[in-house]
This record gives sequence, C-alpha cells and structure tokens, in this order.
Amino acid sequence: TQLLEQSPQFLSIQEGENLTVYCNSSSVFSSLQWYRQEPGEGPVLLVTVVTGGEVKKLKRLTFQFGDARKDSSLHITAAQPGDTGLYLCAVLGGSEKLVFGKGTKLTVNP
Amino acid sequence: GAGVSQSPSNKVTEKGKDVELRCDPISGHTALYWYRQRLGQGLEFLIYFQGNSAPDKSGLPSDRFSAERTGESVSTLTIQRTQQEDSAVYLCASSYQVDYNSPLHFGNGTRLTVT
Repeated sequence: TQLLEQSPQFLSIQEGENLTVYCNSSSVFSSLQWYRQEPGEGPVLLVTVVTGGEVKKLKRLTFQFGDARKDSSLHITAAQPGDTGLYLCAVLGGSEKLVFGKGTKLTVNP
Repeated sequence: GAGVSQSPSNKVTEKGKDVELRCDPISGHTALYWYRQRLGQGLEFLIYFQGNSAPDKSGLPSDRFSAERTGESVSTLTIQRTQQEDSAVYLCASSYQVDYNSPLHFGNGTRLTVT
C-alpha cells in the first residue's frame, strides 16, 4: 500500500493553462515536501509545508497543506514549458526516512 | 562547495556481475540516502545513513544489495550478481540532518543497465 497517492499520474497541457496536482494519504503528517525532477537530474526541493491549512506561493506555484495534514495540492498558474517535469510529494515516514509518492509527470506544450 | 556527486553516471553490466556505485555528499551533511527510480516511476527508498550508521536498511530489495559509508562522507552501494530487474537510476541524496527542516540535495544519479 502506497503511503502517498499522487494524481493525476500524467498531465499534458498547453502553455498558458492552469493546473492542479494532488498528494493524498490516510495518515497525518507533521510536514510535507514537494520536489520537481527534470529529465536526467535528481529531484529539487520546491517547498516544505508544516501547518494545517498553510498556503505557500512560489512565483506561479501555489502549495496548500490540508487542514487535517493528510493531503496537499500544487496549483500552477499560466503554465510554461519550463514547468515540465515530474512533481513528487514526500513525507518523513517511519524511522525518519523520507518517503516519496510516485509523482505526477507534467508536460507543458508550447 | 559542489553539490552531491555520483559516479559513474552510466553503467552497463552483464547479468551476474557485481557493480559498485559511489556517492560523494555535500561536505558537512550528516544524513545520506539511497533511492532507486525505475523508468517512469517514483523514488523507492533503499537505505539511509546517519553519520556512518544505517538506522534503516528496510528498503534494500535483497541480500545482493549492500551499502556502507565511511568518514561520514563517501558512500558506496554495491549490487552483487546483478539481475535485469536491477536496471534503474540509483539516486543519492544528502541533508544536513534528518528532519523536515533539512531538505534533501540529490545527485544526478547513476543509470544502471543490466544486459
């Protein structure tokens, strides 16, 4: 059983469109991280959310942590081809290891 | 200084051979992680080190896999008697310490192909 479920698994959109991807779990977490991975590279941290209901903005990216701290969303406004990549959410699992979801593969077409 | 460095970047090996993958973490980072990423998939946890100790080895797929870390620095992941299902990108990451305030810094991975 996956600790973190990410949806959708794949998303292909046109430049300028808005999109939202989700990270869900039945467990409660003290914090949650979002990473982006581009082809041929390792993931890079985008944001950490720690408070239920918290909203953080990073330019055109808006991250929200659910009130119950079981889920999170990432919204991208006016997507650009440079946003293309694999978006991964991650939480500290048992024994303090960082556990990742399977990711959402986003393609933004020019 | 430099980020996390992994070598080799690509490795092609024949089934049954042993391989050794190397990770040089960011200097001063006490925590070091190994993950495996199969094509088009997310990251599968293998093992992590706090200093030179490995508190959690639960992700190692079989006894063919082993890892060590020395001098709270370099780590090597060894796969013995490689199988085709071992083909994947092996990612190493380091962090200042193990908590949510310390983000993971990843290397670019070693792409392993077992023929």
